[in-house]
Amino acid sequence: DTEVTQTPKHLVMGMTNKKSLKCEQHMGHRAMYWYKQKAKKPPELMFVYSYEKLSINESVPSRFSPECPNSSLLNLHLHALQPEDSALYLCASSQSGQGTSLTLAKNIQYFGAGTRLSVL
Amino acid sequence: GESVGLHLPTLSVQEGDNSIINCAYSNSASDYFIWYKQESGKGPQFIIDIRSNMDKRQGQRVTVLLNKTVKHLSLQIAATQPGDSAVYFCAENVSFKAAGNKLTFGGGTRVLVKP
Repeated sequence: DTEVTQTPKHLVMGMTNKKSLKCEQHMGHRAMYWYKQKAKKPPELMFVYSYEKLSINESVPSRFSPECPNSSLLNLHLHALQPEDSALYLCASSQSGQGTSLTLAKNIQYFGAGTRLSVL
Repeated sequence: GESVGLHLPTLSVQEGDNSIINCAYSNSASDYFIWYKQESGKGPQFIIDIRSNMDKRQGQRVTVLLNKTVKHLSLQIAATQPGDSAVYFCAENVSFKAAGNKLTFGGGTRVLVKP
């Protein structure tokens, strides 16, 4: 099973709303990731959690706040978003949390189907 | 053939023919490369990977070639099928010992399979 589950699938929110995106995996992976993908563009890394600690923040605005409550869950809290934040938000996980493993399989990032976010 | 413009580069291929998708990467420190397939409405799906100390790796109907001298990666799909129609992304990985892995995606190529 290589499933990463994201909820909700679609979200429409106003600029003053507070909402959260959720991501769950039960593969025992120790690294989890948030990406943002605009239409016809590649995914762009936002955050990396390694062993439940935030390890990489790609200079993401503070209106995006990640949280990793445990090794299976990853949240992205949204507050005071702008219309340009509308995008597909993808969650991914990988077995390896540190460095590139000699075993290739440990480095593979598995993606969820994403949450399509519209900010009005 | 290929077309490049304001939209994603597109590769049109006849069903049953072989497809070759090319990718240039920029970071010499990248230690690992992955090809992903993304169908409409779905997240990227892993296809095949290769470590920087290898130059070729084969999977089922797919082969990845890596040329570090010119920082070039390619994905070959044999006997392309209608189900192969999707956007294909290459991704390069840089590892940070304590921080984990950072994956940077290339621009993507749309593959359209004609029946």
